[in-house]
Amino acid sequence: DAKTTQPPSMDCAEGRAANLPCNHSTISGNEYVYWYRQIHSQGPQYIIHGLKNNETNEMASLIITEDRKSSTLILPHATLRDTAVYYCIVRATGNTPLVFGKGTRLSVIA
Amino acid sequence: SAVISQKPSRDICQRGTSLTIQCQVDSQVTMMFWYRQQPGQSLTLIATANQGSEATYESGFVIDKFPISRPNLTFSTLTVSNMSPEDSSIYLCSVSKTGEIEKLFFGSGTQLSVL
Repeated sequence: DAKTTQPPSMDCAEGRAANLPCNHSTISGNEYVYWYRQIHSQGPQYIIHGLKNNETNEMASLIITEDRKSSTLILPHATLRDTAVYYCIVRATGNTPLVFGKGTRLSVIA
Repeated sequence: SAVISQKPSRDICQRGTSLTIQCQVDSQVTMMFWYRQQPGQSLTLIATANQGSEATYESGFVIDKFPISRPNLTFSTLTVSNMSPEDSSIYLCSVSKTGEIEKLFFGSGTQLSVL
């Protein structure tokens, strides 16, 4: 079973920051937090991952709380193309598969 | 990233028949996985495709129904056998690339409809 809890849906105005929360209160010390998204009719796309420090790349920022029990994915300037289902996944690094939960359906509105 | 080619991209099949889905990657990968995504649902892991040995199946999936081959480091097939309408789903191949094992990359999937 998935080890994360996410809101089923969220809306965001185009151009504004989208903040997607994720609860992972049972995360283990060797597990990373991963974020993927799935745009309609496509395979999931890697966004970002982190262990305990905040991370930023060209797509998004990941903020992980100090106790590592929750995190937030931030899309700084959401566009219509960011409309997708966003999955928060905890996973030990290495050659292990991803276990998907239900994710958050983000709708970016013009 | 890894370029993953899945064939066919979609198919419509009759119940009782079988369909083999191919996954070809443009570079050597360490791990290959097969997922199923039923309509309106999230992704469910079917199995890990092991090179040169039998695949490792998740609970609820069996080799007789979903035989998998992986003859080399860049290619795998998933067969959906004796299909029923309940097998109508998107089937996705996923890989971790050598030297970049912290990320998994996904193909665009095979949309299967069983009549």
